[in-house]
Amino acid sequence: DQQVKQNSPSLSVQEGRISILNCDYTNSMFDYFLWYKKYPAEGPTFLISISSIKDKNEDGRFTVFLNKSAKHLSLHIVPSQPGDSAVYFCAASEGQAGTALIFGKGTTLSVSS
Amino acid sequence: DTAVSQTPKYLVTQMGNDKSIKCEQNLGHDTMYWYKQDSKKFLKIMFSYNNKELIINETVPNRFSPKSPDKAHLNLHINSLELGDSAVYFCASSHRLAGGGDTQYFGPGTRLTVL
Repeated sequence: DQQVKQNSPSLSVQEGRISILNCDYTNSMFDYFLWYKKYPAEGPTFLISISSIKDKNEDGRFTVFLNKSAKHLSLHIVPSQPGDSAVYFCAASEGQAGTALIFGKGTTLSVSS
Repeated sequence: DTAVSQTPKYLVTQMGNDKSIKCEQNLGHDTMYWYKQDSKKFLKIMFSYNNKELIINETVPNRFSPKSPDKAHLNLHINSLELGDSAVYFCASSHRLAGGGDTQYFGPGTRLTVL
């Protein structure tokens, strides 16, 4: 059973616009959430994270929002750039050292110029 | 400098063979992991080591054996390879941050193809 779900397999956005990627989770024990970006034939690259004690974390063009009551998080990219085109994975963990990350299936973002 | 490196990047082998994938991290992290990305693109944990000690061992066939000679290395040995072992294997490492949260950093992956 999937504990982390990314229900949109793909998203297309024009350069300069906002990209919003969504993620839902079912395990209420998760307390740390991460977004990774992945290019073909490369490993996932850490993008941004958020602890369950916060509802927002911002890093440059990237902002992650967490809604614990809805068990939902989203990644906003503003403004979107063609170089942002990649697969984005949402991941969650229970925050203990060495705990496995539970990944969603990923959303492929295409940013057109 | 590559933070988490894996060798080889590609591995093609016959069924029944034994092979190893090496992983090294130069981040000074104390925890290392192996993940498998299957044909459905799911990334799933296989093993986790903390200071050379096994702390996670998911339901993985015992043909897979991780070996950690030191904190900076976690190698994956696979015996009697089967067709279903074909996948991309990712190594990762992390260091527990104060206040919680355990950001994992991934290697480039090893694509294993079993013929």
